[in-house]
Amino acid sequence: GQNIDQPTEMTATEGAIVQINCTYQTSGFNGLFWYQQHAGEAPTFLSYNVLDGLEEKGRFSSFLSRSKGYSYLLLKELQMKDSASYLCAVRDSNYQLIWGAGTKLIIKP
Amino acid sequence: GAVVSQHPSRVICKSGTSVKIECRSLDFQATTMFWYRQFPKKSLMLMATSNEGSKATYEQGVEKDKFLINHASLTLSTLTVTSAHPEDSSFYICSAIQGMAGSQPQHFGDGTRLSIL
Repeated sequence: GQNIDQPTEMTATEGAIVQINCTYQTSGFNGLFWYQQHAGEAPTFLSYNVLDGLEEKGRFSSFLSRSKGYSYLLLKELQMKDSASYLCAVRDSNYQLIWGAGTKLIIKP
Repeated sequence: GAVVSQHPSRVICKSGTSVKIECRSLDFQATTMFWYRQFPKKSLMLMATSNEGSKATYEQGVEKDKFLINHASLTLSTLTVTSAHPEDSSFYICSAIQGMAGSQPQHFGDGTRLSIL
Protein backbone atom coordinates (compact mmCIF):
# COMPACT_ATOMS: atom_id res chain seq x y z
CA GLY A 1 0.00 0.00 0.00
CA GLN A 2 0.93 3.65 -0.12
CA ASN A 3 2.12 5.30 3.03
CA ILE A 4 3.44 8.62 4.21
CA ASP A 5 4.89 9.01 7.70
CA GLN A 6 5.56 12.19 9.57
CA PRO A 7 5.70 12.94 13.30
CA THR A 8 2.39 13.76 14.89
CA GLU A 9 3.57 16.73 16.89
CA MET A 10 6.71 18.78 17.46
CA THR A 11 7.55 21.65 19.78
CA ALA A 12 10.12 24.36 19.14
CA THR A 13 11.13 27.74 20.53
CA GLU A 14 10.56 31.10 18.88
CA GLY A 15 13.66 32.14 16.93
CA ALA A 16 15.00 28.59 16.69
CA ILE A 17 15.19 26.13 13.77
CA VAL A 18 13.04 23.03 13.37
CA GLN A 19 13.16 20.16 10.88
CA ILE A 20 10.02 18.18 10.08
CA ASN A 21 10.71 14.82 8.47
CA CYS A 22 8.59 12.89 6.01
CA THR A 23 9.16 9.37 4.70
CA TYR A 24 7.10 7.82 1.97
CA GLN A 25 6.40 4.56 0.19
CA THR A 26 4.30 5.13 -2.91
CA SER A 27 3.65 3.49 -6.25
CA GLY A 28 5.82 5.75 -8.34
CA PHE A 29 6.88 9.30 -7.66
CA ASN A 30 6.01 12.52 -9.43
CA GLY A 31 6.92 15.11 -6.86
CA LEU A 32 6.56 15.92 -3.19
CA PHE A 33 4.70 18.88 -1.74
CA TRP A 34 4.69 20.58 1.62
CA TYR A 35 1.65 22.51 2.80
CA GLN A 36 0.95 24.59 5.88
CA GLN A 37 -2.46 24.40 7.53
CA HIS A 38 -3.52 26.65 10.38
CA ALA A 39 -6.28 25.34 12.64
CA GLY A 40 -9.68 25.70 11.02
CA GLU A 41 -8.24 26.87 7.72
CA ALA A 42 -7.44 25.27 4.38
CA PRO A 43 -3.88 24.24 3.47
CA THR A 44 -1.57 26.67 1.73
CA PHE A 45 1.21 25.57 -0.60
CA LEU A 46 4.77 25.92 0.72
CA SER A 47 7.14 23.97 -1.53
CA TYR A 48 7.60 21.40 -4.25
CA ASN A 49 10.49 18.97 -4.80
CA VAL A 50 10.85 16.56 -7.69
CA LEU A 51 14.65 16.30 -7.95
CA ASP A 52 17.04 15.41 -5.14
CA GLY A 53 18.39 18.28 -3.18
CA LEU A 54 17.43 21.37 -1.27
CA GLU A 55 14.93 24.02 -2.34
CA GLU A 56 15.13 27.23 -0.39
CA LYS A 57 12.38 29.79 -0.08
CA GLY A 58 13.06 32.46 2.49
CA ARG A 59 12.83 31.02 6.00
CA PHE A 60 11.56 27.70 4.65
CA SER A 61 13.62 25.03 2.88
CA SER A 62 12.63 21.59 1.68
CA PHE A 63 14.91 18.67 0.96
CA LEU A 64 14.31 15.50 -1.03
CA SER A 65 16.13 12.18 -1.38
CA ARG A 66 14.23 9.96 -3.80
CA SER A 67 16.47 6.94 -3.21
CA LYS A 68 15.67 7.07 0.50
CA GLY A 69 12.00 8.03 0.11
CA TYR A 70 12.68 10.93 2.43
CA SER A 71 12.04 14.62 2.66
CA TYR A 72 12.26 17.28 5.30
CA LEU A 73 10.93 20.78 5.76
CA LEU A 74 13.28 23.15 7.54
CA LEU A 75 11.90 26.25 9.21
CA LYS A 76 14.37 28.90 10.38
CA GLU A 77 13.95 31.90 12.67
CA LEU A 78 10.69 30.51 13.96
CA GLN A 79 7.87 32.92 14.61
CA MET A 80 4.73 32.38 16.67
CA LYS A 81 2.66 32.50 13.48
CA ASP A 82 4.47 29.37 12.28
CA SER A 83 2.41 27.36 14.76
CA ALA A 84 0.37 25.18 12.41
CA SER A 85 0.16 21.70 10.95
CA TYR A 86 2.57 20.86 8.16
CA LEU A 87 1.39 18.36 5.59
CA CYS A 88 3.63 16.25 3.40
CA ALA A 89 2.05 14.97 0.17
CA VAL A 90 3.46 12.81 -2.62
CA ARG A 91 2.18 12.59 -6.18
CA ASP A 92 2.28 8.97 -7.30
CA SER A 93 2.63 7.42 -10.75
CA ASN A 94 -1.07 8.06 -11.45
CA TYR A 95 -0.63 11.70 -10.45
CA GLN A 96 -2.76 11.08 -7.38
CA LEU A 97 -1.74 13.10 -4.34
CA ILE A 98 -1.14 10.93 -1.28
CA TRP A 99 -1.37 12.92 1.94
CA GLY A 100 0.43 12.45 5.22
CA ALA A 101 -1.52 12.98 8.44
CA GLY A 102 0.37 16.19 9.17
CA THR A 103 2.76 17.37 11.87
CA LYS A 104 1.40 19.80 14.41
CA LEU A 105 4.13 22.33 15.21
CA ILE A 106 3.85 24.19 18.49
CA ILE A 107 6.01 27.28 18.91
CA LYS A 108 6.77 28.43 22.44
CA PRO A 109 8.02 31.92 23.32
CA GLY B 1 -2.09 34.37 -8.70
CA ALA B 2 -3.85 30.96 -8.48
CA VAL B 3 -6.67 32.01 -6.18
CA VAL B 4 -9.45 29.57 -5.37
CA SER B 5 -12.66 30.87 -3.85
CA GLN B 6 -15.01 28.58 -1.93
CA HIS B 7 -18.47 29.54 -0.79
CA PRO B 8 -20.12 29.44 1.67
CA SER B 9 -17.53 29.37 4.44
CA ARG B 10 -19.95 28.05 7.00
CA VAL B 11 -23.32 26.34 6.88
CA ILE B 12 -25.58 25.32 9.73
CA CYS B 13 -28.77 23.56 8.74
CA LYS B 14 -31.30 20.97 9.73
CA SER B 15 -31.05 17.28 9.02
CA GLY B 16 -32.50 16.38 5.63
CA THR B 17 -31.46 19.61 3.95
CA SER B 18 -29.37 19.57 0.78
CA VAL B 19 -26.38 21.89 0.79
CA LYS B 20 -24.48 23.17 -2.24
CA ILE B 21 -20.87 24.31 -1.98
CA GLU B 22 -19.21 26.24 -4.80
CA CYS B 23 -15.55 26.24 -5.72
CA ARG B 24 -14.22 28.79 -8.20
CA SER B 25 -10.79 29.38 -9.65
CA LEU B 26 -10.67 33.18 -9.89
CA ASP B 27 -7.62 33.88 -12.02
CA PHE B 28 -6.88 30.65 -13.83
CA GLN B 29 -8.57 27.82 -15.65
CA ALA B 30 -8.77 24.65 -13.61
CA THR B 31 -9.06 21.52 -15.68
CA THR B 32 -9.06 19.45 -12.52
CA MET B 33 -10.64 20.19 -9.17
CA PHE B 34 -10.62 18.08 -6.03
CA TRP B 35 -13.02 17.77 -3.14
CA TYR B 36 -11.79 16.81 0.32
CA ARG B 37 -13.31 16.44 3.73
CA GLN B 38 -11.43 16.73 6.97
CA PHE B 39 -12.48 15.74 10.46
CA PRO B 40 -10.97 17.52 13.47
CA LYS B 41 -7.28 16.74 13.95
CA LYS B 42 -7.35 14.29 11.03
CA SER B 43 -5.70 14.36 7.66
CA LEU B 44 -7.36 15.44 4.43
CA MET B 45 -9.50 12.74 2.88
CA LEU B 46 -9.96 12.94 -0.88
CA MET B 47 -13.60 12.45 -1.81
CA ALA B 48 -13.51 12.90 -5.56
CA THR B 49 -11.59 14.27 -8.51
CA SER B 50 -13.53 16.43 -10.91
CA ASN B 51 -12.56 17.13 -14.51
CA GLU B 52 -14.34 19.80 -16.51
CA GLY B 53 -17.03 18.41 -18.75
CA SER B 54 -16.86 14.83 -17.49
CA LYS B 55 -18.15 12.80 -14.57
CA ALA B 56 -16.30 13.01 -11.30
CA THR B 57 -14.15 10.12 -10.12
CA TYR B 58 -15.11 9.17 -6.59
CA GLU B 59 -12.84 7.55 -4.04
CA GLN B 60 -13.77 4.20 -2.61
CA GLY B 61 -16.39 4.49 0.09
CA VAL B 62 -17.73 7.86 -1.05
CA GLU B 63 -21.38 7.71 -2.08
CA LYS B 64 -21.90 9.23 -5.51
CA ASP B 65 -25.59 9.83 -4.92
CA LYS B 66 -24.94 11.47 -1.60
CA PHE B 67 -22.21 13.82 -2.76
CA LEU B 68 -23.11 15.19 -6.17
CA ILE B 69 -20.28 16.91 -8.03
CA ASN B 70 -20.68 19.06 -11.08
CA HIS B 71 -17.77 20.65 -12.96
CA ALA B 72 -19.59 22.55 -15.65
CA SER B 73 -16.87 25.03 -16.56
CA LEU B 74 -13.13 25.51 -16.28
CA THR B 75 -13.62 27.83 -13.33
CA LEU B 76 -16.46 26.30 -11.34
CA SER B 77 -17.12 23.03 -9.56
CA THR B 78 -19.95 22.40 -7.12
CA LEU B 79 -20.45 19.80 -4.42
CA THR B 80 -23.98 19.13 -3.25
CA VAL B 81 -24.47 17.17 -0.05
CA THR B 82 -27.92 15.70 -0.52
CA SER B 83 -30.24 15.06 2.41
CA ALA B 84 -27.49 15.88 4.88
CA HIS B 85 -27.39 14.19 8.28
CA PRO B 86 -25.35 14.95 11.41
CA GLU B 87 -22.67 12.45 10.39
CA ASP B 88 -22.04 14.59 7.28
CA SER B 89 -20.90 17.44 9.50
CA SER B 90 -17.30 18.13 8.55
CA PHE B 91 -14.87 20.59 6.99
CA TYR B 92 -15.14 20.37 3.19
CA ILE B 93 -12.29 21.80 1.13
CA CYS B 94 -11.90 22.12 -2.60
CA SER B 95 -8.69 22.53 -4.53
CA ALA B 96 -7.75 23.16 -8.13
CA ILE B 97 -4.78 22.61 -10.38
CA GLN B 98 -3.76 25.20 -12.94
CA GLY B 99 -3.22 23.50 -16.30
CA MET B 100 -1.78 19.98 -16.40
CA ALA B 101 -0.78 18.17 -13.20
CA GLY B 102 3.00 17.98 -13.68
CA SER B 103 4.68 20.17 -11.11
CA GLN B 104 1.60 22.24 -10.37
CA PRO B 105 0.51 22.32 -6.74
CA GLN B 106 -3.09 22.11 -5.69
CA HIS B 107 -4.42 25.50 -4.65
CA PHE B 108 -7.06 25.31 -1.95
CA GLY B 109 -10.21 27.22 -1.25
CA ASP B 110 -10.81 28.42 2.30
CA GLY B 111 -13.06 25.48 3.10
CA THR B 112 -16.68 25.12 4.18
CA ARG B 113 -17.54 24.12 7.69
CA LEU B 114 -20.79 22.18 7.52
CA SER B 115 -22.80 21.57 10.68
CA ILE B 116 -25.96 19.48 10.47
CA LEU B 117 -28.28 19.71 13.46
